[in-house]
Amino acid sequence: GDSVTQMEGPVTLSEEAFLTINCTYTATGYPSLFWYVQYPGEGLQLLLKATKADDKGSNKGFEATYRKETTSFHLEKGSVQVSDSAVYFCALSPPFGNEKLTFGTGTRLTIIP
Amino acid sequence: GAGVSQTPSNKVTEKGKYVELRCDPISGHTALYWYRQSLGQGPEFLIYFQGTGAADDSGLPNDRFFAVRPEGSVSTLKIQRTERGDSAVYLCASSRSGATEAFFGQGTRLTVV
Repeated sequence: GDSVTQMEGPVTLSEEAFLTINCTYTATGYPSLFWYVQYPGEGLQLLLKATKADDKGSNKGFEATYRKETTSFHLEKGSVQVSDSAVYFCALSPPFGNEKLTFGTGTRLTIIP
Repeated sequence: GAGVSQTPSNKVTEKGKYVELRCDPISGHTALYWYRQSLGQGPEFLIYFQGTGAADDSGLPNDRFFAVRPEGSVSTLKIQRTERGDSAVYLCASSRSGATEAFFGQGTRLTVV
């Protein structure tokens, strides 16, 4: 079945550091790929998505590129801020939407000033 | 409402008791999902509704778990004979038909003592 393997945390970085959180997946066909974020005390929010190979999703300075050849969707940000401290989840859904999401285990990110 | 609403936000129950968890999706969203998130894990799919019908209930762990959505809007997740292992955060999400983005509620934290 479908699965998502995500870089284990926790990850602690200094403000303005470069961030990479690795995510690889196993799925049939061409799934849609997502990064969700859970800020302290809040619900899961969609951060960015990509629905086909070579697409790049971006939002709030974060980027991730759908790499079919390596089955990866790594999350990157060039300069992190304290406000980026949260738990990040990589996820996939089958093509065509309206299907269940399969999540990774999450990566807790802490940014120190 | 503005977002997905889940009630109660917290529920403590004794082992063996019956509980109901409620989800109010975003108005007009035809797809509704239930997930369960255990501590330190990503959300795990339980059941997906398209309108009033359960399109996929493959994630329900056993027959103690049941969910309904009688009018295609509000949904109730029902757990019979609760066990300590049922303790988790239960998340609800909704999306528009054909959309790839699901919007999550803040969850109900269920504790079985």
